[in-house]
Amino acid sequence: DGGITQSPKYLFRKEGQNVTLSCEQNLNHDAMYWYRQDPGQGLRLIYYSQIVNDFQKGDIAEGYSVSREKKESFPLTVTSAQKNPTAFYLCASSTPRRMNTEAFFGQGTRLTVV
Amino acid sequence: RKEVEQDPGPFNVPEGATVAFNCTYSNSASQSFFWYRQDCRKEPKLLMSVYSSGNEDGRFTAQLNRASQYISLLIRDSKLSDSATYLCVALNGGNEKLTFGTGTRLTIIP
Repeated sequence: DGGITQSPKYLFRKEGQNVTLSCEQNLNHDAMYWYRQDPGQGLRLIYYSQIVNDFQKGDIAEGYSVSREKKESFPLTVTSAQKNPTAFYLCASSTPRRMNTEAFFGQGTRLTVV
Repeated sequence: RKEVEQDPGPFNVPEGATVAFNCTYSNSASQSFFWYRQDCRKEPKLLMSVYSSGNEDGRFTAQLNRASQYISLLIRDSKLSDSATYLCVALNGGNEKLTFGTGTRLTIIP
């Protein structure tokens, strides 16, 4: 079945450590997105990528990094520079050049700094 | 000003009532619009796309007003299972940036 997979579902990190969240899709989508959601808040865009080997900063990119070496994969690294990384991280993919095509989400990764 | 704005609610509505949400967007380059539903601690899922001509799916009706830059969602004959957070989404046709509103929390009361 086609879909978008995030792993791990839960992640614990010590302060000062970098950690990488995985996002893989087999939907043949061109665009991929990373969002952060804090309790009771909406989704804020961290980074997005329209095509392989290209990506753009979203609204809250500081302290995060991404790569897009393959169409299927868009990993997010939360670096030690991110001062408040505890949050729910959501990855999405879509084909935005086709009008009104929806974005599909992975099940999310809950990151907790301990 | 946020690119996509919604009333966060909460909306507490009796079962069977009709409820309406509005959402405004500031970027005129936005070309496609969607309503997503998010249940507690889950990922958002598409409820419906929003077309200029308006569209209906069962008890749900979505409208787009490009001149005033707002979209709306109407839920008729609300059910307990409609309790969720509803997210308004705009896609920028130029840079393909997908922007979410903060969401409107809806609780249907028995």
